[in-house]
Amino acid sequence: NAGVMQNPRHLVRRRGQEARLRCSPMKGHSHVYWYRQLPEEGLKFMVYLQKENIIDESGMPKERFSAEFPKEGPSILRIQQVVRGDSAAYFCASTGGASGANVLTFGAGSRLTVL
Amino acid sequence: KQEVTQIPAALSVPEGENLVLNCSFTDSAIYNLQWFRQDPGKGLTSLLLIQSSQREQTSGRLNASLDKSSGRSTLYIAASQPGDSATYLCAVGGYQKVTFGTGTKLQVIP
Repeated sequence: NAGVMQNPRHLVRRRGQEARLRCSPMKGHSHVYWYRQLPEEGLKFMVYLQKENIIDESGMPKERFSAEFPKEGPSILRIQQVVRGDSAAYFCASTGGASGANVLTFGAGSRLTVL
Repeated sequence: KQEVTQIPAALSVPEGENLVLNCSFTDSAIYNLQWFRQDPGKGLTSLLLIQSSQREQTSGRLNASLDKSSGRSTLYIAASQPGDSATYLCAVGGYQKVTFGTGTKLQVIP
């Protein structure tokens, strides 16, 4: 069991480019969370997805950010027209069921740097 | 809306000391509470999970307690070691959402 896999681990983009971050949950997990961690700050919830459904996106910025979790393949967090303030570590976590009952398992994170 | 607070924000102790990290939350309708450790530039490692029906969990030198009615959890670290230096995060599991505290940055001085 490879755990939660995130890639790329490090991504550098220039302002205005697009960033795509991928998350493959643990085998058997169908629930994915994305969190953002700004430098020297805590983890902020962004979005909670199940396969083919966005359950809660209350933490997502209204513009430029989108997330999906297709029936096949990894979950994708997409940031369009990146700005310097998007530089952060983006963590994905997966769980086997509704968050309340299950342990969150985190990936190692994707660190985005916007030049 | 669940709010999770961790006190202190930072803590520095000499090696060998026992210490307590605190986590408080505003909504007691939780499913579980999880303690994580995060090393600089790294991901999160789960330390302990306490289900809402439980009062405490132990793993090695770590003991976590949960008092739902008062909205508090503590993480007790016995005989601290320099390798314990990290940021410790508590995460409160509600229905379809997990809310994190801002963490306690621990430094254990040899």
